[in-house]
Amino acid sequence: QKEVEQNSGPLSVPEGAIASLNCTYSDRVSQSFFWYRQYSGKSPELIMSIYSNGDKEDGRFTAQLNKASQYVSLLIRDSQPSDSATYLCAVRTSGGSYIPTFGRGTSLIVHP
Amino acid sequence: GAGVSQSPSNKVTEKGKDVELRCDPISGHTALYWYRQRLGQGLEFLIYFQGNSAPDKSGLPSDRFSAERTGESVSTLTIQRTQQEDSAVYLCASSLTGGEPQHFGDGTRLSIL
Repeated sequence: QKEVEQNSGPLSVPEGAIASLNCTYSDRVSQSFFWYRQYSGKSPELIMSIYSNGDKEDGRFTAQLNKASQYVSLLIRDSQPSDSATYLCAVRTSGGSYIPTFGRGTSLIVHP
Repeated sequence: GAGVSQSPSNKVTEKGKDVELRCDPISGHTALYWYRQRLGQGLEFLIYFQGNSAPDKSGLPSDRFSAERTGESVSTLTIQRTQQEDSAVYLCASSLTGGEPQHFGDGTRLSIL
């Protein structure tokens, strides 16, 4: 069974710091990786996708993928209180079902 | 509308009643997904449509749950003989061709008394 694991948190960081969110997965043939942000009481929104080993940067967000170690991370630089949310990791295996498996999410709190 | 639209936004019903939830995806999006999210929990996959067909129904928790999609647009999720454990937010998402869900609706909050 495919599993995606995330520390539920909360992860608390001061404003301006780097927040590091981690996700591990069990299926070695996983090919596509996604990060979603979900504000309290709201729906998830897709913020990052990564498909190759290494780093992918988009503004203050950097996704890091290490397939050998089966983990994917999301770094948020210069964290702002508005970044406070739950961050969901999702992993999809190529072929077969197109459905990504979601982790339970990590709650991030950025305090002023 | 520009986004994924779900209705109703809230539904309160008595145990044993049937409910129907509606999702109107972004125009032109062929892939449509239904998820369930219980309070404080992650996303639980229910069913995926590509066009009008459902290649993956593996997440439907029981035969009380069914879904259909017509005209490659609107989808309805029906829950028969509702139980208290069905209480959750039901989320619909769509994407242009498939792969990952790209745009979520605001969800239907279902409460079973």
